[in-house]
Amino acid sequence: DAGVIQSPRHEVTEMGQEVTLRCKPISGHDYLFWYRQTMMRGLELLIYFNNNVPIDDSGMPEDRFSAKMPNASFSTLKIQPSEPRDSAVYFCASSFGQGPSPLHFGNGTRLTVT
Amino acid sequence: LAKTTQPISMDSYEGQEVNITCSHNNIATNDYITWYQQFPSQGPRFIIQGYKTKVTNEVASLFIPADRKSSTLSLPRVSLSDTAVYYCLVGDMSAYNTDKLIFGTGTRLQVFP
Repeated sequence: DAGVIQSPRHEVTEMGQEVTLRCKPISGHDYLFWYRQTMMRGLELLIYFNNNVPIDDSGMPEDRFSAKMPNASFSTLKIQPSEPRDSAVYFCASSFGQGPSPLHFGNGTRLTVT
Repeated sequence: LAKTTQPISMDSYEGQEVNITCSHNNIATNDYITWYQQFPSQGPRFIIQGYKTKVTNEVASLFIPADRKSSTLSLPRVSLSDTAVYYCLVGDMSAYNTDKLIFGTGTRLQVFP
């Protein structure tokens, strides 16, 4: 398996623009997670899905952030409008089953908002 | 909230054994302990997981005392390529709980030649 695939790897955009980050989880995994990593705040859980249904989005910072999972093999994280403080590395992870199942992370999308 | 506490950083030399301890005083009965490794520009990668006593795989060993309030990741004979950030997570066996999916600050391990 190719692992969790994220695109793009890098995104540079101007403040106010819409940004869409994409994730393809490992086939057969029924959980999908979006994390954000910054130097100041470390790794933060934004939202996670189970069987394509959002379970907990309490980590989503503002209404400017939204995430969808239209099917088992694709998820998006959208920021509209983007702001400089959204600059971070965004990771997608997937896992099979509940509880102690390890998370498998993609290599992230480095977002820079100028 | 099963908060974890780790040293912020550690230094070692090639060939040495490195032990990184994580404290999780509020660990619950259903919680597993999982360690991840993160290299720059990559996502965290699963290393090892355990519930109690000792677990060993081809990469590391995990020691968990009887009270399970701490755990120690042991890396035998480290090399320069083991320079990374190491995170411990405490997770529920029965179901995901957002509180249990929180990564702490991690331990930044620097290996010198």
